[in-house]
Amino acid sequence: EAQVTQNPRYLITVTGKKLTVTCSQNMNHEYMSWYRQDPGLGLRQIYYSMNVEVTDKGDVPEGYKVSRKEKRNFPLILESPSPNQTSLYFCASRGLAGSYEQFFGPGTRLTVL
Amino acid sequence: RKEVEQDPGPFNVPEGATVAFNCTYSNSASQSFFWYRQDCRKEPKLLMSVYSSGNEDGRFTAQLNRASQYISLLIRDSKLSDSATYLCVVILLDSGGSYIPTFGRGTSLIVHP
Repeated sequence: EAQVTQNPRYLITVTGKKLTVTCSQNMNHEYMSWYRQDPGLGLRQIYYSMNVEVTDKGDVPEGYKVSRKEKRNFPLILESPSPNQTSLYFCASRGLAGSYEQFFGPGTRLTVL
Repeated sequence: RKEVEQDPGPFNVPEGATVAFNCTYSNSASQSFFWYRQDCRKEPKLLMSVYSSGNEDGRFTAQLNRASQYISLLIRDSKLSDSATYLCVVILLDSGGSYIPTFGRGTSLIVHP
């Protein structure tokens, strides 16, 4: 089944404790992206990657890092999480040819205390 | 001014009603347009693309008005299962060929018996 997976789905952590949210897709998509979704603000792009070893900042990159060492994986790293990073996070992917449809992962609900 | 604007609603309608949402965008160079559906705390999923000539998929009709810079979604014969948040997505290709998706904050639809 074609899909985007994220882990963990739920995480409660404390300020300053480094964490990584994994994202993997099995559709051989070049483009991958991370979003956060907050009430009243909608989906905002954090980082995106056009292909392996190519990453770019989105609208709200501060406090986040990403890497794209393999085509299928695009982890999101919070080196020192803070409470304002409490949010619902979505990973998405799409191919570079044809439709601009993005496929989203199921989401990761992160709480930083 | 936000680049993509939607009325957050909620639109509260009875089963069988016809309901329409609009989404305005500020960048006239925007190239592609989509409607996504998002159920509570779940990932967004593509509902339909929006073509220049307008397009229909069953009870759903999407239209694009480039002159006035808005897209619309019409839902006929509303079902209880149509209750969700509808996200407008506008795609801009920048001068470097990068794909820049911008999401609206979503319009909430509640269909009641």
